[in-house]
Amino acid sequence: GEDVEQSLFLSVREGDSSVINCTYTDSSSTYLYWYKQEPGAGLQLLTYIFSNMDMKQDQRLTVLLNKKDKHLSLRIADTQTGDSAIYFCAESMGGGFKTIFGAGTRLFVKA
Amino acid sequence: AAGVIQSPRHLIKEKRETATLKCYPIPRHDTVYWYQQGPGQDPQFLISFYEKMQSDKGSIPDRFSAQQFSDYHSELNMSSLELGDSALYFCASSARTVANTEAFFGQGTRLTVV
Repeated sequence: GEDVEQSLFLSVREGDSSVINCTYTDSSSTYLYWYKQEPGAGLQLLTYIFSNMDMKQDQRLTVLLNKKDKHLSLRIADTQTGDSAIYFCAESMGGGFKTIFGAGTRLFVKA
Repeated sequence: AAGVIQSPRHLIKEKRETATLKCYPIPRHDTVYWYQQGPGQDPQFLISFYEKMQSDKGSIPDRFSAQQFSDYHSELNMSSLELGDSALYFCASSARTVANTEAFFGQGTRLTVV
């Protein structure tokens, strides 16, 4: 079945690195996404990784994928107070298939 | 670049009223998806359309219906609204005919039922 799980809360100090973890069950997923949602706002696509990749880096963001364990992580370097938000892990088989979201991890950044 | 457009951005309705949400996909995208995100919840898939035909169905209540029109825009019709329908409704679009393309989300319509 389809399921995406992630821890609900993470608290870090400003300037530290944040690592948000996610596990998924659908091995046929082609895309694995990280979305950011600030209070009252829409979904902002931060980054995504194809299932045939192990790592993707985009400025302060690093995505690691362990396909064998179906584990995805998002590392935010030099975390800032503006990074405080809910981060959703999501999976999809791509063109035409729905996206399945995890419950979201609420990131608190302490100044 | 053009994004997914949703209207209205905000909507307030009373219980038992009806609401219609609209979604305009990215040009040349043929698939539209609807999601519902309740307060403190993750987005839940409701329904999707490909080439004006329903292609997948999720947890959409019977009181809701949706369709995709010839210009590929989609409308989500919600009747007999309940307080629990208050949520952020997202539309997303993708191009199924292009291999390995992701879905792009709109900014959402915030529906408040009072």
